[in-house]
Amino acid sequence: NAGVTQTPKFQVLKTGQSMTLQCAQDMNHNSMYWYRQDPGMGLRLIYYSASEGTTDKGEVPNGYNVSRLNKREFSLRLESAAPSQTSVYFCASSPAEYISYEQYFGPGTRLTVT
Amino acid sequence: DQQVKQNSPSLSVQEGRISILNCDYTNSMFDYFLWYKKYPAEGPTFLISISSIKDKNEDGRFTVFLNKSAKHLSLHIVPSQPGDSAVYFCAASFLYQTGANNLFFGTGTRLTVIP
Repeated sequence: NAGVTQTPKFQVLKTGQSMTLQCAQDMNHNSMYWYRQDPGMGLRLIYYSASEGTTDKGEVPNGYNVSRLNKREFSLRLESAAPSQTSVYFCASSPAEYISYEQYFGPGTRLTVT
Repeated sequence: DQQVKQNSPSLSVQEGRISILNCDYTNSMFDYFLWYKKYPAEGPTFLISISSIKDKNEDGRFTVFLNKSAKHLSLHIVPSQPGDSAVYFCAASFLYQTGANNLFFGTGTRLTVIP
């Protein structure tokens, strides 16, 4: 049982390049989330998926797109990376709607955009 | 606008003493509060939570207190151990119509427990 896994662990992009951050969970959770963490800002929600087939914007969605590929996988895409997107990205999942508030986090992806 | 605030970026405590981490929130609709612990290069891990219908929840060395009238919660760690050295995030939640339990995080407090 690996929990929440994220790939890659590190990535350096040039401004304007695109990439997809991958996230998978093996806990049969319904809800999945993408956060970014910046120094002095805590974690901020980018997008979330309450259940398979649905996605919604969080607090800071601009410049990102997401895909809930199936119940296990939730990817985050940067279409045209900007230096302001330099951050640590965390994926998380939670068991079921309306039942649990606890989220389980992956180890993070450290992204640098030059 | 930050709805969950942790005003102390850092805290140092001697081993064996009590650590008290504080958190304030502005949105009275929050109905669940959580504390997460984060080590470097790892994701946050859940530590303890409290529902808005309670004012205290205890789990071993960790106790969370909630004062709804003051919109304030605190995490007490007794006794503090060197392994408790980490960044602690306070988070708050309420349910949206879709059912996702989105979390709003504070900026974190770095706890250092001195042996």
